[in-house]
Amino acid sequence: DTEVTQTPKHLVMGMTNKKSLKCEQHMGHRAMYWYKQKAKKPPELMFVYSYEKLSINESVPSRFSPECPNSSLLNLHLHALQPEDSALYLCASSQDSWNTGELFFGEGSRLTVL
Amino acid sequence: AQKVTQAQTEISVVEKEDVTLDCVYETRDTTYYLFWYKQPPSGELVFLIRRNSFDEQNEISGRYSWNFQKSTSSFNFTITASQVVDSAVYFCALSESPGTASKLTFGTGTRLQVTL
Repeated sequence: DTEVTQTPKHLVMGMTNKKSLKCEQHMGHRAMYWYKQKAKKPPELMFVYSYEKLSINESVPSRFSPECPNSSLLNLHLHALQPEDSALYLCASSQDSWNTGELFFGEGSRLTVL
Repeated sequence: AQKVTQAQTEISVVEKEDVTLDCVYETRDTTYYLFWYKQPPSGELVFLIRRNSFDEQNEISGRYSWNFQKSTSSFNFTITASQVVDSAVYFCALSESPGTASKLTFGTGTRLQVTL
C-alpha cells in the first residue's frame, strides 16, 4: 500500500464547478509535489512545496490553486477548469526538496472535466 | 536542458524471457541522479532505483539489474525471467544536482506487456 494517500480517486466536474484534490502523507516528509499526467504521457511537475512554502510553480494556470495547510497535507483547488485539464493528478512527497532522494507517489486522482 | 529518451514505446515478451529497457539521457550537470520508476495500472509510480552520476557500478536486485554507462549516457534496466506482474509502464528519470528542488525530468516511458 502506498504511504501517500490521495482523495478522491475519481472526480468528474463541470467547467463551472469548484472542487479540491487532497493528499496526505505521514512519513515526516517536508517536501510535497503535484504532478499532472495525461494518458500515455510522463508526469509533468506542477508545484513543489518545501517546508509548507510554495517553492516551485511550473507556470501553472491560476485555475489550479495549491495549498499546504501543514507538513502532512497538500491540497489542489480546482476552479473553472477546461476539458483539456482532464488527467491523472499525482501527489508525491520526499524527505525534503534539497536532497535528491526518491519521491513517494500516491495512486493519483483521475479528473474528468466535462 | 535536461532530456531523457526512452526509444522503446512498447515491448511485449512471454513470461520467463529477459527484457531490457533502454534509457538515454542528456544533461550539462556534472552531478545528477538517475531513477527508474514503475507505474502499474493502479496509477502510482513506484520507485525502483536511484543512481548518482559518480557511481557507475552496476546494480542487481533480485530479477532486476541496472547498467549505468556514463560514456554513452545510458542507464538501462534489465528484468530477468519476466513475470506477468512486471507488466507496467516504466519511466526513466533524471534529477538536477542537490541544492535545488527535486525536479524530475521523465522519459516518455516504456510499456511492458508480459504474457503467459
